[in-house]
Amino acid sequence: EVQLVQSETEVRKSGESLKISCKASGYSFTNYWIAWVRQMPGKGLECMGIVYPGDSDTRYSPSYQGQVIISADKSIGTAYLQWSNLRASDTAIYYCARSSDITVDTGFGFWGQGTLVTVSS
Amino acid sequence: DIQLTQSPSFLSASVGDRVTITCRASQGIYIYLAWYQQKPGKAPKLLIYGASTLQSGVPSRFSGSGSGTEFTLTISSLQPEDFATYYCQQLNTYHALTFGGGTKVEIK
Repeated sequence: EVQLVQSETEVRKSGESLKISCKASGYSFTNYWIAWVRQMPGKGLECMGIVYPGDSDTRYSPSYQGQVIISADKSIGTAYLQWSNLRASDTAIYYCARSSDITVDTGFGFWGQGTLVTVSS
Repeated sequence: DIQLTQSPSFLSASVGDRVTITCRASQGIYIYLAWYQQKPGKAPKLLIYGASTLQSGVPSRFSGSGSGTEFTLTISSLQPEDFATYYCQQLNTYHALTFGGGTKVEIK
């Protein structure tokens, strides 16, 4: 069974750094894309970027380029999303999701439970 | 970046109604479009990919159509469990897999 288990709720202050995780199991981690998706309170979905763990190929959406780092450690089957300088506007739920196939053409059929990040000013 | 515009943003309907949601892309994306359903407090669920291919396990009352810049999601007979928010996502451009703004389907 494919599972994506995300790290727990985080509370931070503006200016702090943070790294959240997405632990994958039940499939070959290196063969599927992982996306990170942001959902601000009461708002819609935004794809921040994707990573292919097999070769660490990473693609960032323009709005997030330079704002976050997306990575994957294939030795432990875990993807990461990190910030070096959090802002209050980063307060959101962050989801990781796995592509249904080896390309993203078939969408993201598997999702983590979400990680709530709250940043106070 | 490719922008996706969903309409309507809000829809009030009754059980048994036929519901149609539209997603328009700012440029052609062939059939690289997916639809998701999200319920409050839950992660999104993939319904349709390739504009019209039903994800395994999704009820057949859901269907998708379109290509290029205009796409539709149709629920042929709305069921109580279908009240949720629906999003389209374009899958044509790897560096910017944008979502539409969402359509909230509520009970009339």
